[in-house]
Amino acid sequence: GQQLNQSPQSMFIQEGEDVSMNCTSSSIFNTWLWYKQDPGEGPVLLIALYKAGELTSNGRLTAQFGITRKDSFLNISASIPSDVGIYFCAGQSTGTASKLTFGTGTRLQVTL
Amino acid sequence: NAGVTQTPKFRVLKTGQSMTLLCAQDMNHEYMYWYRQDPGMGLRLIHYSVGEGTTAKGEVPDGYNVSRLKKQNFLLGLESAAPSQTSVYFCASGFTLRTSGRTSSYEQYFGPGTRLTVT
Repeated sequence: GQQLNQSPQSMFIQEGEDVSMNCTSSSIFNTWLWYKQDPGEGPVLLIALYKAGELTSNGRLTAQFGITRKDSFLNISASIPSDVGIYFCAGQSTGTASKLTFGTGTRLQVTL
Repeated sequence: NAGVTQTPKFRVLKTGQSMTLLCAQDMNHEYMYWYRQDPGMGLRLIHYSVGEGTTAKGEVPDGYNVSRLKKQNFLLGLESAAPSQTSVYFCASGFTLRTSGRTSSYEQYFGPGTRLTVT
């Protein structure tokens, strides 16, 4: 099945640093969703994007819906230890009966 | 609201045994989904439902069956478990809402997962 290309696959950062990650697709999406998954838990929805060019924030998190509708970006500012986890992007396109295509995840580790 | 709940949280089966995983949601969502998550493979859709009484195959449906007799429940069955079905299973529910013009909002919410081991 189709997967989104998500990068980087993993990253180690120091507390207080800003983090950027992105997802790209060969298909156009109508919706981009960003999730975070903690160890042993289910993914939790962080941000939903519905329009090309849209920029949406949720606390220290900011996500953007790319102009081409084939990519999306997530930024985390001033990272803290609880930001550790796996971040997934997911896209929904027309005619997919409300199914999502998921990225392979970015594993974030924050050092003190 | 409890959101999306899954039962059980852990299970160990022997090859050939059967079991049913239960998913329940209290958000009145139309859509429900079953995924499996394996290391390095991300989330893969097994089956899904766009409404009560309807089901459809996802990306990896073989070896699984589902039923959605009530809107709030979505059952995933393994008739004859195999070691390849060792995985973490997530249920999700979702909705779509058409807003102004052609814009629609769509969101999907996940349960806590069921860790299944088949020996």
